[in-house]
Amino acid sequence: GAVVSQHPSRVICKSGTSVKIECRSLDFQATTMFWYRQFPKQSLMLMATSNEGSKATYEQGVEKDKFLINHASLTLSTLTVTSAHPEDSSFYICSARGLWNTGELFFGEGSRLTVL
Amino acid sequence: AQRVTQPEKLLSVFKGAPVELKCNYSYSGSPELFWYVQYSRQRLQLLLRHISRESIKGFTADLNKGETSFHLKKPFAQEEDSAMYYCALKDGAQKLVFGQGTRLTINP
Repeated sequence: GAVVSQHPSRVICKSGTSVKIECRSLDFQATTMFWYRQFPKQSLMLMATSNEGSKATYEQGVEKDKFLINHASLTLSTLTVTSAHPEDSSFYICSARGLWNTGELFFGEGSRLTVL
Repeated sequence: AQRVTQPEKLLSVFKGAPVELKCNYSYSGSPELFWYVQYSRQRLQLLLRHISRESIKGFTADLNKGETSFHLKKPFAQEEDSAMYYCALKDGAQKLVFGQGTRLTINP
């Protein structure tokens, strides 16, 4: 089956630094990748939609300069949290849709970011 | 705007009892609905989608456009069904909008 891998699974950083999270589709090409944020005991909130070779589309209220998304290839999208602050601490999850586009999304295992 | 509502954050039933996880949606277009499941320490994965009209692990879900619902049902719960369940709607922009999730616990 289609596998999506995120790295790192956990990261701790100091306030003011930047953190990059990678999302890779391991055995399929993903035309579209999505980045979600999940607060404890809450649902997944879509942050942005990332299409290969084009700029990401951000949801309302998500700062594009804060959360930089790059989708340079059909198998890799990255989320960079710039100048991280404690309120950015969260669980970030990516998902990918394959070229066949049945609507099913394949999810990464998530990355827990803690900003001190 | 599209919205998915799962009214129950927590649901607990005994093994062998029927299970129903509720999901209601609001969407102006023709909805495409999904149920995703997240077992303990695992990633989110697709359980079923309404267009397939399939039964997965004994679960079924029927789209009721009149009631704008897509409830997930299973006649006899099993302990391994304990998980977090998310109802989701795919909108016209091909994005998935998730409900708040329901944590299902099956008691032995």
